Amino acid sequence: AQSVTQLGSHVSVSEGALVLLRCNYSSSVPPYLFWYVQYPNQGLQLLLKYTSAATLVKGINGFEAEFKKSETSFHLTKPSAHMRDAAEYFCAVSEGADDKIIFGKGTRLHILP
Amino acid sequence: GAVVSQHPSWVICKSGTSVKIECRSLDFQATTMFWYRQFPKQSLMLMATSNEGSKATYEQGVEKDKFLINHASLTLSTLTVTSAHPEDSSFYICSAVGNEQFFGPGTRLTVL
Repeated sequence: AQSVTQLGSHVSVSEGALVLLRCNYSSSVPPYLFWYVQYPNQGLQLLLKYTSAATLVKGINGFEAEFKKSETSFHLTKPSAHMRDAAEYFCAVSEGADDKIIFGKGTRLHILP
Repeated sequence: GAVVSQHPSWVICKSGTSVKIECRSLDFQATTMFWYRQFPKQSLMLMATSNEGSKATYEQGVEKDKFLINHASLTLSTLTVTSAHPEDSSFYICSAVGNEQFFGPGTRLTVL
């Protein structure tokens, strides 16, 4: 069975500081990995995805994530936080592009002025 | 990118009534759609897999007789919450599989 663990239900960073949201996965097959963002009372927006190509994945809004098989990790980073980045972030895993997606519990990102 | 719509975007109903939520893929055909549920301040939990022309596959703990899923065409799946109760109040999100998986905007259900 697949699963993801997001470390930290809440993360606070100052505006302009580095954003690091941690995600570790468990999968018996080569995984597809995703990061989604959800703003209050809205649906999901895909930030980026890993599908067994390049291990460093660049996404929208300046975010990127690195797939590290040895660490079973897929941490999300952004060099400089903006106020508009405040939202809920979900790491997710699936076995394929057309397979069900298993979500982590989410991390609420707070941006401090 | 591909667009998935849900209707209604929000609905309020009385306890004991049934509510139907539609999920449509607007510019692609989707043999498979998924239904998720998100309770306040929680993550998305998969409820069921909807396959066009066949019965849905439900996740453990999801009552198939309560959450009726119909996927009658390649662009439409419906979720009917039967005899809704306040504990069914949640955010219901669908996704449709084209060349990748695309999520709908969600439907907020409030049962009074």
